[in-house]
Amino acid sequence: EDQVTQSPEALRLQEGESSSLNCSYTVSGLRGLFWYRQDPGKGPEFLFTLYSAGEEKEKERLKATLTKKESFLHITAPKPEDSATYLCGGRGTGRRALTFGSGTRLQVQP
Amino acid sequence: GAGVSQTPSNKVTEKGKYVELRCDPISGHTALYWYRQSLGQGPEFLIYFQGTGAADDSGLPNDRFFAVRPEGSVSTLKIQRTERGDSAVYLCASSFGREETQYFGPGTRLLVL
Repeated sequence: EDQVTQSPEALRLQEGESSSLNCSYTVSGLRGLFWYRQDPGKGPEFLFTLYSAGEEKEKERLKATLTKKESFLHITAPKPEDSATYLCGGRGTGRRALTFGSGTRLQVQP
Repeated sequence: GAGVSQTPSNKVTEKGKYVELRCDPISGHTALYWYRQSLGQGPEFLIYFQGTGAADDSGLPNDRFFAVRPEGSVSTLKIQRTERGDSAVYLCASSFGREETQYFGPGTRLLVL
């Protein structure tokens, strides 16, 4: 059974304090590792897709990386507007559905 | 362009009642997904449509849950004999052809009293 685990559950940072969120996965024949951002009361908003170990993608203050067992979402010099829940999900071979972790709730204080 | 839309945004019902939740995917998207998200959890897969047919319904929890997509566009998730445990946010997502990225709607918040 595919499984995705995210840590920490919650993270509080000061503005400008860089950190990383972890996503550990056990997904049969990974065919994509997806990162989403979710604001309270809204649906998940797509950020990145990673397909193979060693791949990296960046968008503004966010950079996602992938190894054979984990993905990291690095947040550099975060701002209060980066506060949200960050979800990662894996897609396995032969499936279109994503298996999501429980998310990391990030709060960035000014 | 317009994103995925879902109606109603909120639904309150009583235990035992029947509810229908609607999803309008992004125009031209052939794949449509339903997920359920409980408080503090990530989305949990329910069912996936490719065109009009349900290609994967392995996530439906029991036979009280049913979904249709008769014309390959709008989809309706139907829940019979609702239970308090059905309370959650029901999310719909769509994607284009074989493109992997799923774009989510705002969700319908269902509360069963």
